[in-house]
This record gives sequence, C-alpha cells and structure tokens, in this order.
Amino acid sequence: QSVLTQPPSVSGAPGQRVTISCTGSSSNIGAGYDVHWYQQLPGTAPKLLIYGNTNRPSGVPDRFSGSKSGTSASLAITGLQAEDEGHYYCQSYDSSVTVDVVFGGGTKLTVL
Amino acid sequence: QVQLVQSGPEVKKPGASVKVSCKASGYSFASYGVSWVRQAPGQGLEWVGWISEDGSITNYAQKFQGRVTMTRDTSTSTAYMDLRGLRSDDTAVYYCAKHQPPVSTSSAPWDPRDYWGQGTLVTVSS
Repeated sequence: QSVLTQPPSVSGAPGQRVTISCTGSSSNIGAGYDVHWYQQLPGTAPKLLIYGNTNRPSGVPDRFSGSKSGTSASLAITGLQAEDEGHYYCQSYDSSVTVDVVFGGGTKLTVL
Repeated sequence: QVQLVQSGPEVKKPGASVKVSCKASGYSFASYGVSWVRQAPGQGLEWVGWISEDGSITNYAQKFQGRVTMTRDTSTSTAYMDLRGLRSDDTAVYYCAKHQPPVSTSSAPWDPRDYWGQGTLVTVSS
C-alpha cells in the first residue's frame, strides 16, 4: 500500500484530456510538502514532468499541468498523443516517523 | 548535457552484497544530492535513500536501514550504493537520480529528481 494513492489506470482517445489524481494525508501533501510528477515510458527511466506542484521543466510541453489542493494533487494532460502512453508517478515527502520520500503507486495511461 | 551512467547488471546469491555505481557528467557533481530509487519487476517506484552534496548527510528508508550504505567520490563524480544481505525480493532495477533543489538552497529529501540514470538490474537468485 502506497502512502500516496493514485488510480491504477486511466485512458483517453487522442486529443482528449485526462487527469490523474494523487491523494495523500496531513503528514505529506496536506502538511505543505510539494508534489512532483514523473513520466515513465516503457523500458525507460523515469523523467521529471512537473515539479513544485505546478512547474514544468524546460522541454516539457504545456499540454502537461499540475495542481495541488489540500491533501491531494492532480496531473492533467490535454491533447493526448500516442507517445504519452506509459506510467505516471507522483512523489512527495512525509513527515511521519516511519517514512520519508514517498511515491504514489503509479498510474498506467492508455491512449485508445 | 547532464548524464548519469550506471554500472552494469548484477546477479547475486541470497546473503551477498552488491555495489552499484553512478557516474555523473555535465554538471557540478559536488553541488547536488543524489537519490537511489528502485523498481521491482512490474512494480512501482520505491525510494531507497539519498546522500547530500558533500556526503555528510545520508538518509535511508526505514526498510533498508542497516543494510544499505550510500557514498560519493567527488574526485570521480561518482555516487555509490552498497546493499548487503540481499534477498530475492531485492531483485529490481536500481536508479540513481540527481536532486534539483530550489535555487541557492542545499539539497533536501523533498526535492524533485531532475535527471535519472539508465538503471541497473540487480537479480538475486540462488
């Protein structure tokens, strides 16, 4: 069981918009720690997609956007493309005794 | 350009140790922390631990404490992860990742990781 909860899968047709949620608690996202998002395409290493809740690294298309509210965060992808198919992970920090850096369980995005 | 190049795949027997290296180039290695993250076959990402810019701070996930040691060598721009007492459930791809702290601040465990190595498959099998 991951400390951050993501839906196992989402899907959408090319050109559509999808969102991926990341639900935490008062000891991580709700405590004010930033959420970062990573994209992992098949057979490759993770790639930073969104950092500090809403910021895109240089080179990441503006089709990708992030938001955060309360104990949750979301990643939105507009204008879906076939090459977006892969896994997406949220990451934050937890201030409770037994955990530190936490990842969501990951969401598999399928482009129909 | 920033690159993190990791050592090759390893096959180890239960109880053995493995040391994975991560050679950095294209940035000031001494200015950024490095994390290690692993991914078991078909599973998600799991944080193993991190080491600060100067190596004075290490933080390990509780489940690895006592079995893992992270070090770094500034002279060769290389970070290392040593994992001991290997078990079959340690079979995974191990990634190193560079921290991206906010401008003018030191690395911290809550940083995003902006560059990742290609991964090193560690297989533990008798």
